[in-house]
Amino acid sequence: DTEVTQTPKHLVMGMTNKKSLKCEQHMGHRAMYWYKQKAKKPPELMFVYSYEKLSINESVPSRFSPECPNSSLLNLHLHALQPEDSALYLCASSQGQGLFFGSGTQLSVL
Amino acid sequence: AQTVTQSQPEMSVQEAETVTLSCTYDTSESDYYLFWYKQPPSRQMILVIRQEAYKQQNATENRFSVNFQKAAKSFSLKISDSQLGDAAMYFCAYRDTSGTYKYIFGTGTRLKVLA
Repeated sequence: DTEVTQTPKHLVMGMTNKKSLKCEQHMGHRAMYWYKQKAKKPPELMFVYSYEKLSINESVPSRFSPECPNSSLLNLHLHALQPEDSALYLCASSQGQGLFFGSGTQLSVL
Repeated sequence: AQTVTQSQPEMSVQEAETVTLSCTYDTSESDYYLFWYKQPPSRQMILVIRQEAYKQQNATENRFSVNFQKAAKSFSLKISDSQLGDAAMYFCAYRDTSGTYKYIFGTGTRLKVLA
């Protein structure tokens, strides 16, 4: 069982919707990540929260916005997404010696 | 900039046999970590094995072992006694110790296990 919990596991949304993905880790790690993964491709880094500092992959569009309420929680707010944003969204945490992933949210944008 | 290359898009192995997946990387750093991740059809990413660059001894986890050649910047994964449950995508990944906490992934190798 993973110690990184993601909800929901599946999400279908329209292009005008606003939704949020949630991630929680119970390992005391100080870095949390959002990755986007298309089928048969490696994960692409979107955001890193490390010691309360946010690092952004500058290619990520502004319709994705992260929020880190505390060191155990990481949310990803979604607004006005496009069909090409359909993908598996993976949350991970780390203390530097490896990423520990949640089971992902499979997102479909209609 | 650091890069990670997996030159084998797909590999096949007979059940109970041994297979080696290749990974090369490029970095100017001397201290870093290397990883192999497994992603089965469930798409859960699982950390298989980790190697710290300053350690000369190759890491081993049960049937999984690595051949770490620092000078050649090579980091291959050997799976012994392959099982049907080993069928998955395998990603090689790199992280340096500069404090950025960023991981770089290779493009992956799909491993098929034949009964």
